This record gives sequence, structure tokens and C-alpha cells, in this order.
Amino acid sequence: EAQVTQNPRYLITVTGKKLTVTCSQNMNHEYMSWYRQDPGLGLRQIYYSMNVEVTDKGDVPEGYKVSRKEKRNFPLILESPSPNQTSLYFCASSLSSQGGQPQHFGDGTRLSIL
Amino acid sequence: GQSLEQPSEVTAVEGAIVQINCTYQTSGFYGLSWYQQHDGGAPTFLSYNALDGLEETGRFSSFLSRSDSYGYLLLQELQMKDSASYFCAVRQTDSWGKLQFGAGTQVVVTP
Repeated sequence: EAQVTQNPRYLITVTGKKLTVTCSQNMNHEYMSWYRQDPGLGLRQIYYSMNVEVTDKGDVPEGYKVSRKEKRNFPLILESPSPNQTSLYFCASSLSSQGGQPQHFGDGTRLSIL
Repeated sequence: GQSLEQPSEVTAVEGAIVQINCTYQTSGFYGLSWYQQHDGGAPTFLSYNALDGLEETGRFSSFLSRSDSYGYLLLQELQMKDSASYFCAVRQTDSWGKLQFGAGTQVVVTP
């Protein structure tokens, strides 16, 4: 089954404790992206990757890191999480970055930073 | 940069028609996409307009007018399962690969 898989689905942690949210897709997609969703703000792009070893900042990259060493994986790293990073996070992938290519989203990771 | 504006909420009865507008300020983009998200779920792709005009997909249609800087999603023959949030999104031309979403419109369908 074609899918984007995120782990963990839920995480409660404390300020300053490094964490990684994994994202994997099995559709051989070139484009991958991370979003955070907060009430009233919609989906805001954190980072995106056009292909292996090619990453770039979205609209809200501060406090996050990503890497794209393999085509299928695009982990999101919070080196020193803070309470303002408490949010619902989505990973997504698409065949390419062409305008009309639909984004396929993972089920989301609900992150609480205390 | 760009911003996309959508109404925050729309309420309608089953069987009705709802139009969700998306207005934008942009220096250039590749077309307008629409996504649906049920409470707590993953957004799912609905439609894409690369060119001006109407695109129809079953009960849902989407429209784009670049000259008027707006688009809309039309939901016809509303069903209870259409209660969800709907987002418009654009991919910018001045930042290849960057994708921006509107804040979303909550559609509430009542019996």
C-alpha cells in the first residue's frame, strides 16, 4: 500500500531533550516536506526536499533540522525543543515539485513539549 | 511573498451548495490546489487548477481566476461526511518547491 509513515504518532517530552520524528514513503517520490499545524494558522511548511541531499527552508524553519540521505526517508530533528514547538506535525511527499503534483500526507505526529 | 485568505467557517445543510473562496496576493505561482482534512486526520488532495477556469471532479469543482487573484472550491449536494476543513495552497514561482497553505475553512454540514 502506498503510504507515508510517521513515527511516533504521539510524544510528550521536556524542553531541551533532543528528539527526532521519522518520516518514510514507499512511493519513490522525489519531493518531501514537513509541516506544522496550529489552530487558526493552517499548515505551515518547515522544510522541504526536492531530492536526495537537497533540502531548503520553508516558512518556519527556526528550531528544526532535516536531512535527506535516502530518497524514502526525511527525518525532522528538534535539537533543543521548546514549548512553542508543541504542535501537530505532518510529513508529506509528492512525485516531484511540479505545481499540480498532489501531496500525500502521513497521519501526523502530535508533539507536546513541557 | 504571498498570503492566502479563506473564510474561517461555513455552515450549510445537507444537500446544499457551498462555495469556499481563496484570495491571494502573489507575485507568481504555479496553480491553486485544494485539500480536505477531517478532524485529527491527514489532509488529502482534492483538486488542482493550473489554468483559469473550472475543474470538475464529481460533486466538487474548483475554479481559478488569475486576473482576479482568487479561486474557489464548490461543494455540491452536501453530505454529512463533507464536514471537514478545506485548505487552498499554492506553489511559489520565486521559491521553487516551497508550498504555502491558507489557514483553512471549517465546513459544518447540518441535517
